[in-house]
Amino acid sequence: DAGVTQSPTHLIKTRGQQVTLRCSPISGHKSVSWYQQVLGQGPQFIFQYYEKEERGRGNFPDRFSARQFPNYSSELNVNALLLGDSALYLCASSISGGVTEAFFGQGTRLTVV
Amino acid sequence: DQQVKQNSPSLSVQEGRISILNCDYTNSMFDYFLWYKKYPAEGPTFLISISSIKDKNEDGRFTVFLNKSAKHLSLHIVPSQPGDSAVYFCAASLDSSNTGKLIFGQGTTLQVKP
Repeated sequence: DAGVTQSPTHLIKTRGQQVTLRCSPISGHKSVSWYQQVLGQGPQFIFQYYEKEERGRGNFPDRFSARQFPNYSSELNVNALLLGDSALYLCASSISGGVTEAFFGQGTRLTVV
Repeated sequence: DQQVKQNSPSLSVQEGRISILNCDYTNSMFDYFLWYKKYPAEGPTFLISISSIKDKNEDGRFTVFLNKSAKHLSLHIVPSQPGDSAVYFCAASLDSSNTGKLIFGQGTTLQVKP
């Protein structure tokens, strides 16, 4: 069984650019959450989508947006990139949205230069 | 405002001994707590969880203890193995049945020496 897959694994962007990160959840999982992990800190919640609707949003600026598709895959978009957006972006999927079943992908390492 | 704190950035133990990782939280509304382990270049892996209505949960070598009055939980690993060397994150949820939103601590790097 395939786990949570994220693409790309690494990405380098220039300040001011836009980036799209992708996540495919485990088959049968309808909830996808996005987290940002900067070096030396724990993951910080950005968004949760369940059945294609936003269920929760963390304390991130409007430059961050996300969506979920009918097949439950998800995209995270970040506009007007700042140096401080450099981080590991993690996607987690679960069946019902309950945290007991959250499985994480390997993450996308974004570097903004 | 750090609602979940892991005050020890690192811990080193000898193989076969007990590892104790600690976590403190400030929000009394948290109703579910989890521990995740993370190896470099991998995503976090779920280890064990505990509901706020319990004070202990055990799974093999891993035991989590919850002290609600002190707003403190700990993860015990017995016996510790070199493969346990990783970063351990404590996480909390306000609603385990509804939301995928987890609030994580900063992590503790565990090194188990052979």
